Amino acid sequence: GENVEQHPSTLSVQEGDSAVIKCTYSDSASNYFPWYKQELGKRPQLIIDIRSNVGEKKDQRIAVTLNKTAKHFSLHITETQPEDSAVYFCAALYNNAGNMLTFGGGTRLMVKP
Amino acid sequence: DTEVTQTPKHLVMGMTNKKSLKCEQHMGHRAMYWYKQKAKKPPELMFVYSYEKLSINESVPSRFSPECPNSSLLNLHLHALQPEDSALYLCASSQILAGGSDTQYFGPGTRLTVL
Repeated sequence: GENVEQHPSTLSVQEGDSAVIKCTYSDSASNYFPWYKQELGKRPQLIIDIRSNVGEKKDQRIAVTLNKTAKHFSLHITETQPEDSAVYFCAALYNNAGNMLTFGGGTRLMVKP
Repeated sequence: DTEVTQTPKHLVMGMTNKKSLKCEQHMGHRAMYWYKQKAKKPPELMFVYSYEKLSINESVPSRFSPECPNSSLLNLHLHALQPEDSALYLCASSQILAGGSDTQYFGPGTRLTVL
């Protein structure tokens, strides 16, 4: 099955700085990579995703890059704001018969005002 | 509408109780999921239903019993739970595409406490 590793586990940045979270996956058959933001006590919310036929995707202050050869993908948040503080999870969809989404361990991002 | 709803929001139950968690979506999604999430951990997949049929059971103990009455509803029946089963239970749904599944949308979860 798939294995996803995520780093760092905690990240503290000053407001206005950039934040980068990195994930690696093990199975080259994985073809869909979403990122979720989860605030305390809330549901995971999709913030951006990327498919294996694309190398980069951007949505305002958020971007995701994918390197299929190296099997890693990264989340980039620019001009961070205090409301970006949350736990971020990367995930990889293992395209077998079962539509299984494997999550990374999570990154707690703290944006200091 | 990209909303998945879950009831109840909170549930406290004893180890001998029987209770059910409910999940509903009206996005026409044909895959529905149950996840368990412990504090400071990622969601952990329990069950997957595809076209109302159970397609994945991640070796979940039989005290958890899923049910998919129709394409919009997903239930999780609970019986004889243990205190270590206390967690946030998340439901999710997604389209099923030719190459695999699409984005999973999560419900708000049920915070379960087993005494």
